Amino acid sequence: KNQVEQSPQSLIILEGKNCTLQCNYTVSPFSNLRWYKQDTGRGPVSLTIMTFSENTKSNGRYTATLDADTKQSSLHITASQLSDSASYICVVSGWMDSSYKLIFGSGTRLLVRP
Amino acid sequence: GAVVSQHPSRVICKSGTSVKIECRSLDFQATTMFWYRQFPKKSLMLMATSNEGSKATYEQGVEKDKFLINHASLTLSTLTVTSAHPEDSSFYICSARDRTGPGELFFGEGSRLTVL
Repeated sequence: KNQVEQSPQSLIILEGKNCTLQCNYTVSPFSNLRWYKQDTGRGPVSLTIMTFSENTKSNGRYTATLDADTKQSSLHITASQLSDSASYICVVSGWMDSSYKLIFGSGTRLLVRP
Repeated sequence: GAVVSQHPSRVICKSGTSVKIECRSLDFQATTMFWYRQFPKKSLMLMATSNEGSKATYEQGVEKDKFLINHASLTLSTLTVTSAHPEDSSFYICSARDRTGPGELFFGEGSRLTVL
């Protein structure tokens, strides 16, 4: 079964600290993996997109890693800011049953406290 | 960067009426668009996949006669909630997949539907 599991479900950190969010997937065949940030009441915004050949990709203070062998990805946030408080969603895509499908993780809710 | 516009952002309607939500890709073409529903503090739930020029593919448990999806062009998809009821009140979000490059996925800002 094609699944995307994220951990932790929620996380509270102090402003300025670093944190790492995890995404494990069983989607096969794999096309690419995306990380999104979703503020409450807003649409998700893309942070990174990686194909199977990419191991790491950065976007400012956000760095995503991908291990296609173990089917794991992580999103590392450096020097967290209050504005980082949001849900972070991992999305894995691939061609399944002759159609392009996106499998969403349930997200990690991050709260950054002053 | 690429933008997906959703309209309206908020809508309030009476029970029994129909509501149409538009999703437009403003500076790219999208052969595939997706519609989601999201309840408070819950993750996005895929409702249907909309392919330009063909019928939408609905996820299990989503009533296709209740949620009508039309993808008439490479830049526009619409979701019509027919005969809306209070339990249809939710946050509806669309996304569009760029047909070029790695097929990056862009989301709209969402539409909050309240059915009285």
